[in-house]
Amino acid sequence: DTGVSQDPRHKITKRGQNVTFRCDPISEHNRLYWYRQTLGQGPEFLTYFQNEAQLEKSRLLSDRFSAERPKGSFSTLEIQRTEQGDSAMYLCASSPPRGESYNEQFFGPGTRLTVL
Amino acid sequence: GQNIDQPTEMTATEGAIVQINCTYQTSGFNGLFWYQQHAGEAPTFLSYNVLDGLEEKGRFSSFLSRSKGYSYLLLKELQMKDSASYLCAVRGNTGGFKTIFGAGTRLFVKA
Repeated sequence: DTGVSQDPRHKITKRGQNVTFRCDPISEHNRLYWYRQTLGQGPEFLTYFQNEAQLEKSRLLSDRFSAERPKGSFSTLEIQRTEQGDSAMYLCASSPPRGESYNEQFFGPGTRLTVL
Repeated sequence: GQNIDQPTEMTATEGAIVQINCTYQTSGFNGLFWYQQHAGEAPTFLSYNVLDGLEEKGRFSSFLSRSKGYSYLLLKELQMKDSASYLCAVRGNTGGFKTIFGAGTRLFVKA
């Protein structure tokens, strides 16, 4: 088990461009979360998937942010028309459907986005 | 609304005990979590409380009082590697698993 992986690890883009990040959860983890974290703050919830269904999302995801998990495995987070305020670390986490670790979220290493 | 408060920074001495407090206000409650985050790294799970009381796991213990909206993380026999941010997080009961994190407490362990 290699843990949660995210790609790319770093992304530098110009304001106004679209970016897409990918998250591969731990195998057989059915729950997947996206967060955004800026320096000195805790992770900010963006959205949550159970299998392929997006069950919760913050108000952020009603605008330029969108997320998908089409086959209930990997997920993508897209930011359209990026703004400098979007610069942050984007974290993905996953949780198993049952077992001792049911209540744990296993975080990936994150994608650091810099918008110039 | 939802709000989580925890001290911004704390300093403690190697070998000592430190208690990091967290107070929360949420529209629903389905568990309180503590995560550790070293600088430049992803958070890692430390503890989960859903019922009142103390949960002990090695050098770390976490306490919850739901009626007071209060939790603390107790770290014993502090080591230099415990220098990190400690994040308090609360999961609501909206039917999903939305988890709200506090800003974190940066703990500095000095020799």
